[in-house]
Amino acid sequence: EAQVTQNPRYLITVTGKKLTVTCSQNMNHEYMSWYRQDPGLGLRQIYYSMNVEVTDKGDVPEGYKVSRKEKRNFPLILESPSPNQTSLYFCASSFGGHQPQHFGDGTRLSIL
Amino acid sequence: KNQVEQSPQSLIILEGKNCTLQCNYTVSPFSNLRWYKQDTGRGPVSLTIMTFSENTKSNGRYTATLDADTKQSSLHITASQLSDSASYICVVRFHSGYALNFGKGTSLLVTP
Repeated sequence: EAQVTQNPRYLITVTGKKLTVTCSQNMNHEYMSWYRQDPGLGLRQIYYSMNVEVTDKGDVPEGYKVSRKEKRNFPLILESPSPNQTSLYFCASSFGGHQPQHFGDGTRLSIL
Repeated sequence: KNQVEQSPQSLIILEGKNCTLQCNYTVSPFSNLRWYKQDTGRGPVSLTIMTFSENTKSNGRYTATLDADTKQSSLHITASQLSDSASYICVVRFHSGYALNFGKGTSLLVTP
């Protein structure tokens, strides 16, 4: 089954404790992207990757890092999480940037 | 300033009725415009994607229209069902680059 898998689905942690949210897709997509979704603000793009070893900043990249060492994986790293990063996070992938994206089911992060 | 504005913010309709959601954008030139449906607690799912040269695209009971001259798009839902209750998100991609511009969405509630 074609899918985008995010882990964990839920996480409660404390300020400053490094965490990684993994994202994996099984559709051989070149394009992958991370978003955060907050009430009243909609989806906002954090980082995206056009292919392996090629990444670029979205609208809200501060406080986040990403890497794309393999085509199927695109982890989101919070080196020193802060409460303002409490949000619902989505990973998505597609064939190139012109095609519809497939989204994961989301990761709800709470930073205390 | 958000370059994609959606209206209304929320909408309640009776089951079986039709409705139309609006999306106005200032992104120019643009590559494509997408409509996504997001059920509560799930990732968005693609409904339609249109290039600047297309002016209508259908997906079952969903029909999207695009007027590139006025920079407006609409999503028409015919014979609404309870399962249509969701948030509908309009997304515009710039002609160059891979960044996407998201609207804040319209929350639709279909009642019996």
